[in-house]
Amino acid sequence: SQQGEEDPQALSIQEGENATMNCSYKTSINNLQWYRQNSGRGLVHLILIRSNEREKHSGRLRVTLDTSKKSSSLLITASRAADTASYFCATRRNNQGGKLIFGQGTELSVKP
Amino acid sequence: DGGITQSPKYLFRKEGQNVTLSCEQNLNHDAMYWYRQDPGQGLRLIYYSQIVNDFQKGDIAEGYSVSREKKESFPLTVTSAQKNPTAFYLCASSLDREAGELFFGEGSRLTVL
Repeated sequence: SQQGEEDPQALSIQEGENATMNCSYKTSINNLQWYRQNSGRGLVHLILIRSNEREKHSGRLRVTLDTSKKSSSLLITASRAADTASYFCATRRNNQGGKLIFGQGTELSVKP
Repeated sequence: DGGITQSPKYLFRKEGQNVTLSCEQNLNHDAMYWYRQDPGQGLRLIYYSQIVNDFQKGDIAEGYSVSREKKESFPLTVTSAQKNPTAFYLCASSLDREAGELFFGEGSRLTVL
């Protein structure tokens, strides 16, 4: 069964705008990760946030984690056409070492 | 360069045939994983291995088999028992079972004719 659920399922914005994607999960986690996938390609790791962290930044990416609400958000600032891709959250649950469970993904389209 | 290599990239199979997808990594990672992705869907875990000669079933292992005889190799066999095998298959690795980041290959697209 899938742990994470992203919303929206699809997001279309103009270049320069910010894009926000959300992820909710059901059980307690060790960490939450965000990945990017270009069409027909493998996934690329973007950022990892641990359960005891609330916010993390990496370049134009900002991730927040609210363990009380079991949710996370990924913000991409000043988006570019090259950011067009699918974005997935993935959770590593406590006491299930090794298993990373992925959500359904958000398909982001950035129009030039 | 270090990374994960999956082959073949595209594969066509007739119904009733077994096929084996290759996954090789030169990252010296202990853990390896196989995921299945259907159109517009997330990834579902088929099998994973945390150490050589050991592997565990994921959420959708039925109709699949794996082996882990070498650290760098984790082949996946899609058997004729898999009722709907047409999908995009992704192999990944991580440093160990506790490590965060997964490194993915470029995927293998299997089509059953």
